[in-house]
Amino acid sequence: EPEVTQTPSHQVTQMGQEVILRCVPISNHLYFYWYRQILGQKVEFLVSFYNNEISEKSEIFDDQFSVERPDGSNFTLKIRSTKLEDSAMYFCASTRAGWSRNYEQYFGPGTRLTVT
Amino acid sequence: GENVEQHPSTLSVQEGDSAVIKCTYSDSASNYFPWYKQELGKRPQLIIDIRSNVGEKKDQRIAVTLNKTAKHFSLHITETQPEDSAVYFCAASSGNNRLAFGKGNQVVVIP
Repeated sequence: EPEVTQTPSHQVTQMGQEVILRCVPISNHLYFYWYRQILGQKVEFLVSFYNNEISEKSEIFDDQFSVERPDGSNFTLKIRSTKLEDSAMYFCASTRAGWSRNYEQYFGPGTRLTVT
Repeated sequence: GENVEQHPSTLSVQEGDSAVIKCTYSDSASNYFPWYKQELGKRPQLIIDIRSNVGEKKDQRIAVTLNKTAKHFSLHITETQPEDSAVYFCAASSGNNRLAFGKGNQVVVIP
C-alpha cells in the first residue's frame, strides 16, 4: 500500500538557521498539506497546496514559511529563520481530492524538528 | 475558524470493555469528521470517518456517531484489546480539506 514518506525523521538546527523538510506524497494524490504538532498539543494545520500553488494557509504560516513542489514527486516546507517555538513534529499529508470534496488525508511519519 | 474539543483526555478501560471518546465542533458548515489513531512514534492513521449526510457508521469493532444538531460526534470501540491502546484524534473539516483536530485522547486498555 502506498504511503507518504518524509525526510529526515529528526532535524536539529540552531535558532536563525534555515531548514527544509521534505515529503513525498502518494503518487496519484492532488492535494498536499503540512501540519505541525507541538509536544503535548493538538495537530495544527499550516498550509494546503494544490495545482502548484497554496490554496489555504493558517495564521501560523507566516512569511518565515514557504512550500514548494520542486519536481513531480517532492513537496517541501522551508522555514527561513527558525525560532525556538518552531520546535515540533511536522507532518505532511496528501489526498486525492479536488476542491470542496473531502477525501481521506494520509499522513507521513513526521519530521521532528528541534531548534536549539 | 473551526474549533474541535475532545473529551476525556485520558481513558483507561479493561480489556473487553467498550471505550467512547466524544468530540464537539463549532462550525456548523463542517461536513467531514475523521478519526485518527496514533501509536507512539508512528504516523496518525485514519481508522474511520463520517460525512454529515449520515448519523452512524460502523466498521467491525469501531463505530462513529454524529449529531449535527448538537455538533458532536463520538468514537465507539467495542471489545477493546491491548492493541487498541493509542492516542485517538478527532477532526472536522468544512469542505476545504483543512482538518481541525482535537487535542487527542490517550486510551489505555488494561489486560
